[in-house]
Amino acid sequence: GESVGLHLPTLSVQEGDNSIINCAYSNSASDYFIWYKQESGKGPQFIIDIRSNMDKRQGQRVTVLLNKTVKHLSLQIAATQPGDSAVYFCAESRNTPLVFGKGTRLSVIA
Amino acid sequence: EPEVTQTPSHQVTQMGQEVILRCVPISNHLYFYWYRQILGQKVEFLVSFYNNEISEKSEIFDDQFSVERPDGSNFTLKIRSTKLEDSAMYFCASRGGTENTEAFFGQGTRLTVV
Repeated sequence: GESVGLHLPTLSVQEGDNSIINCAYSNSASDYFIWYKQESGKGPQFIIDIRSNMDKRQGQRVTVLLNKTVKHLSLQIAATQPGDSAVYFCAESRNTPLVFGKGTRLSVIA
Repeated sequence: EPEVTQTPSHQVTQMGQEVILRCVPISNHLYFYWYRQILGQKVEFLVSFYNNEISEKSEIFDDQFSVERPDGSNFTLKIRSTKLEDSAMYFCASRGGTENTEAFFGQGTRLTVV
């Protein structure tokens, strides 16, 4: 069936480096995508979203890139900090409930 | 800042017992959801609720599950006869005017069935 998934389950980066977290989606009808951050024992926290009529969107220290041709979504975190350590999920929808991917655990090495 | 609140934060129950998980969504939101997350796994959709009725549900949401919005503010998930495999984090979420917007999540209820 169609689903949202992630390429890597874990990612370790040095503090101050940039992080790139990837996500592959298979539902070509999806037109809305979100990245969530989940810290241990907490609920998912919104980071940034993007609609299918865009291919890039920037926030504070974060950028989301959408490549509809290959159905790929990525989250870039600039100057990664220890507080960025968490599990990151992408999610998709098309006027439907969000469907989540499996998550990537980001570990920041001080 | 408005937030989704869930109670209790942790619930321990015996297998076969009924549990009710409670949520207060953000007050002007129209779409309400329950998700669950088994330890170490992804967040799975259970059910969505709009205009006082279920709008969509997953195959996980079987006859043991039900949802209610009894008083215009609370949104509850009931599990009639809990099983060991129902142990998970349960998250409530709400969204504003359309489904193509950010969903706000509560901090979750950790349900442990023993």
